[in-house]
Amino acid sequence: GQNIDQPTEMTATEGAIVQINCTYQTSGFNGLFWYQQHAGEAPTFLSYNVLDGLEEKGRFSSFLSRSKGYSYLLLKELQMKDSASYLCAVRAPGAGSYQLTFGKGTKLSVIP
Amino acid sequence: GAVVSQHPSRVICKSGTSVKIECRSLDFQATTMFWYRQFPKKSLMLMATSNEGSKATYEQGVEKDKFLINHASLTLSTLTVTSAHPEDSSFYICSARDAGASNQPQHFGDGTRLSIL
Repeated sequence: GQNIDQPTEMTATEGAIVQINCTYQTSGFNGLFWYQQHAGEAPTFLSYNVLDGLEEKGRFSSFLSRSKGYSYLLLKELQMKDSASYLCAVRAPGAGSYQLTFGKGTKLSVIP
Repeated sequence: GAVVSQHPSRVICKSGTSVKIECRSLDFQATTMFWYRQFPKKSLMLMATSNEGSKATYEQGVEKDKFLINHASLTLSTLTVTSAHPEDSSFYICSARDAGASNQPQHFGDGTRLSIL
């Protein structure tokens, strides 16, 4: 089975840095993805890791350790518009194709 | 970049109505598309994997006769919620991956908010 854990909620201050952790246990692994989802909207892709290490993309960075089943998303210079849910998703073989399994999401609130 | 179009964005209808949702990949071919459902404050749950030219693969607990999926071309998949009832009210989201880029992320449509009265 697939199990993905991430904190339910986090609060951080505008301009600060926040790290959102994700741990996973899955049958197979073909990459870990981070998506941002604002309330009432569909997810938008942020970053992708398939090898161990850090991927940097502007204010967002994502880290992966496959041996530990662990990833984090790092958001720098937080802005109010970063208030959203952040979804960790693991791609693994499924019935007939690779499938994404999502964590429950971390709701980030950025405060002034 | 890859774009997925989903239509309609919102549906409000009476109980017993069948509702059809379309998902199109606009600038790439998608042999596989995915249909998700999301209830308020819950995570995205995969309902089924739609395969071009063959039958969809449904996740456990999802009724295939209730949620009909057709993937007749490399750019279009449809989900039909048959005889919808209030408990089917949810946010339905499709996603697709470029068939020619297996390591690329799935891109999501904007979702369809379905409200059954």
